[in-house]
Parts: sequence; C-alpha cells; structure tokens
Amino acid sequence: EPEVTQTPSHQVTQMGQEVILRCVPISNHLYFYWYRQILGQKVEFLVSFYNNEISEKSEIFDDQFSVERPDGSNFTLKIRSTKLEDSAMYFCASSPLAGGPIGELFFGEGSRLTVL
Amino acid sequence: ILNVEQSPQSLHVQEGDSTNFTCSFPSSNFYALHWYRWETAKSPEALFVMTLNGDEKKKGRISATLNTKEGYSYLYIKGSQPEDSATYLCAFFGSARQLTFGSGTQLTVLP
Repeated sequence: EPEVTQTPSHQVTQMGQEVILRCVPISNHLYFYWYRQILGQKVEFLVSFYNNEISEKSEIFDDQFSVERPDGSNFTLKIRSTKLEDSAMYFCASSPLAGGPIGELFFGEGSRLTVL
Repeated sequence: ILNVEQSPQSLHVQEGDSTNFTCSFPSSNFYALHWYRWETAKSPEALFVMTLNGDEKKKGRISATLNTKEGYSYLYIKGSQPEDSATYLCAFFGSARQLTFGSGTQLTVLP
C-alpha cells in the first residue's frame, strides 16, 4: 500500500543550524503539506504546496522556513536557522485531490526535531 | 483564531463498551470536518471526511455525525476492542483553506 515516507525519523541539532526534513509523498498525489506538533500541543498547519508553489501558509511559516519539491518525488522543509522553539514533530502529508485538503490527508510517521 | 475543541481529553473503557466523543468547531465558513485515528508511533490515519450538515458516516464499528449549524460532530465506537486504543483527532477545514486540529481524545480500551 502506498505511503508517505519521511526522513530522518529523529534529528538533533544545535540552535542556529540549518535543518532539512525530507518527505516522499504518495506518487499520484497533487497537494503536499507540512504540519508540526510541539510536545503537549495541538497539531499545527505550516504550509500547503500545489503545482510547484506555496498555496497557503500559516503565521508560523515565516522567513526561516522554506519548502521545495526538487524533483518529481521529494518534498522538503528547510529551517534556515533553528531556534529552541522549533523543537517538534514535523509531519508531511499529501492529498490526491486537486481541490485541496477537502479530501483526506495521508500522513507520514513524522520527523522529530530536537534543537539544543 | 479558530477554536476546535474535543472532549473528553482521555477516556478509559472496558472491552465491549460503546463510547462516543465530541468535536466542536466554528459554525461559520465551514467546508469540511475530518476525523483521524492516531496510534502511538504511527501516522494519523483518516477515518472520515464530512462536508454536509446532517451527514452520517460509518466504517465498521465506528460512525460519525455532523451538525454544521451548531458546530459539532460526534464519533461513536460500538463494542470497543483493545485495538481501538488510539488518539482520535478531529480537524476543521474552512475558508482559510487549512486544517485546524483539536487536541484529540485519547481512548484506552481495557481487555
């Protein structure tokens, strides 16, 4: 069964370092997303991506964050200069519907980022 | 700021019991309400996506109802089994075109 895969499963980094989280969405999906969950808090939307550009982003997704689909399969989230408060579980998701996340999202298992 | 609330926060039931949880969400600018099941160390998995007021959906022993006018959805599990133990998340999708999640209801089914 097709699934969304994420790497790494866990990354520890020093404050101020750049981090890239990688995702391989399901191959025939059209919309891609990043969400995060800070420990003990709700799952929060970061960004949605369609047709090689950002379609929506939240207030969290500031200039320190960027997303890219460098080839036909990968979808990456870059944090330019990590802060302590960026420590969270980051989830990639994809959706098969061109109409956006009205339909169900398919999530990866997450990448845990710890910023020291 | 959108408010999506779920209750109860956690729930312990005996195997065979039926149970239900609540999700409340804004009644305006509604597009869809999602329910996800999230087992520990796995990825959230979609149960239902509901769009119409009065909608009722069912998947095996799990069903959900939707009231968009008053802004709530119920998730029901009939005859709970230990494998139903998970966190159940609801998420509201509105005119902001992003999913806003509740905190989840953590269900533990005791054998």
